[in-house]
Amino acid sequence: DAGVIQSPRHEVTEMGQEVTLRCKPISGHDYLFWYRQTMMRGLELLIYFNNNVPIDDSGMPEDRFSAKMPNASFSTLKIQPSEPRDSAVYFCASSPTSGTVTDTQYFGPGTRLTVL
Amino acid sequence: RKEVEQDPGPFNVPEGATVAFNCTYSNSASQSFFWYRQDCRKEPKLLMSVYSSGNEDGRFTAQLNRASQYISLLIRDSKLSDSATYLCVVTPRSNFGNEKLTFGTGTRLTIIP
Repeated sequence: DAGVIQSPRHEVTEMGQEVTLRCKPISGHDYLFWYRQTMMRGLELLIYFNNNVPIDDSGMPEDRFSAKMPNASFSTLKIQPSEPRDSAVYFCASSPTSGTVTDTQYFGPGTRLTVL
Repeated sequence: RKEVEQDPGPFNVPEGATVAFNCTYSNSASQSFFWYRQDCRKEPKLLMSVYSSGNEDGRFTAQLNRASQYISLLIRDSKLSDSATYLCVVTPRSNFGNEKLTFGTGTRLTIIP
C-alpha cells in the first residue's frame, strides 16, 4: 500500500521565485495536514483540511503561503514569493476519520526546500 | 512558554541501558498524548499513544501525569536501532475524531555500542 506521496523531494530555488509543493494522501483518508520543520522551531502545523475543506490555517505564516486541496487525492502548498527564511522541510500527513484516541497521522517523506 | 517542552538532549546511552524522557505541556485541556519517533532525515512516525493509566509496548513504557502536566517515555534494554529523535505530541480533543497535533521539538537519543 502506498503511503503519503510528496513531490519534489528536494527543491532549491532563488529568493523571489514561486515554489509549489505537492502531496497525495493515503486513499480513503479524510484529513490532510501540512507541516514545516526547522531546527529552531521544530514541527509546526501550517494548515489542515477535512474532506478537502480547509479547517484551520492559523499556522500559515503569512500571505505568501497558500494551500489548496482540489480533490481528495491531491493538495498543494504554494509559496510566492519565496524567501530564504522559508528554507525548511515541509511534510504532508494524512489521517482517517476516527472517534478513538489512537488516531494516527501518516507522514510523507517530506520536501526539503532551500531558498537561496 | 512553549505549549510542549522537551529536553533536546542529546542523550548518549550505552546499549542495554534504560533511558527515560519527560515532556511537559502547558494546556491543561489537552486530552490526547502521543510519542512519535523520527529517524535522521526521515518523517515522524507514531511510536505509541499515552493513556491515563500508563501503557507498555514491549521495551517501551509511557506514563501520563495530568496533575503535573507531563508525560514520560521509558526505554528498557536499549538497542542501537532505538537511536532517533523522540517527539512528544499533545492535542485537545473535540467531538471530531481527529485534531491538530502540537509537537515538542524532540529529544535526540543516541545508543552507543
